[in-house]
Amino acid sequence: DSGVTQTPKHLITATGQRVTLRCSPRSGDLSVYWYQQSLDQGLQFLIQYYNGEERAKGNILERFSAQQFPDLHSELNLSSLELGDSALYFCASTGGPGLNYGYTFGSGTRLTVV
Amino acid sequence: DQQVKQNSPSLSVQEGRISILNCDYTNSMFDYFLWYKKYPAEGPTFLISISSIKDKNEDGRFTVFLNKSAKHLSLHIVPSQPGDSAVYFCAASGLSGNTPLVFGKGTRLSVIA
Repeated sequence: DSGVTQTPKHLITATGQRVTLRCSPRSGDLSVYWYQQSLDQGLQFLIQYYNGEERAKGNILERFSAQQFPDLHSELNLSSLELGDSALYFCASTGGPGLNYGYTFGSGTRLTVV
Repeated sequence: DQQVKQNSPSLSVQEGRISILNCDYTNSMFDYFLWYKKYPAEGPTFLISISSIKDKNEDGRFTVFLNKSAKHLSLHIVPSQPGDSAVYFCAASGLSGNTPLVFGKGTRLSVIA
């Protein structure tokens, strides 16, 4: 157990729907990062939050949004889902705004859009 | 435009031999590099890192080499063990680790007993 908790582990939904992925960072970590891993692709950075504020943005689609709550858990909202959104979504956390000793990843949420 | 490239999707090595995984990068602003290991159904786990002020970092069986002029790094695993079979991701960051990690596509290592 890495200490980063992602729920749900698996999600199957239809095109056009909206889903919410949840991440609880490791205790004491203030930064949360979201990554997407599509088939045969590396991990693509989506967005970072640090202590409740958006800190960095990657190739995140406009249909996707995220937030970090006062208790530091984060949610990634994916709407108007398309088949191509099927992927593994990973959350990672670190203690500070930067790398510190490296990211700690959760085990991911596998999203399947049918 | 891939800033971190792992050109070998897979690699097979015999147990006890050396595994060498390669990674190239294009962004000159990257100054901190990491390797992550990923087993199926798990998230990536940190393996070893290197700062651009060094050209080598060693941790037990794992050594990472950095060639800044060639924008190339490699991970050596000696000796390779069956438990090392996993997908290995190379990742890079800029501003001394203050920009989000950029990952390669990964190399699947199979260590054959």
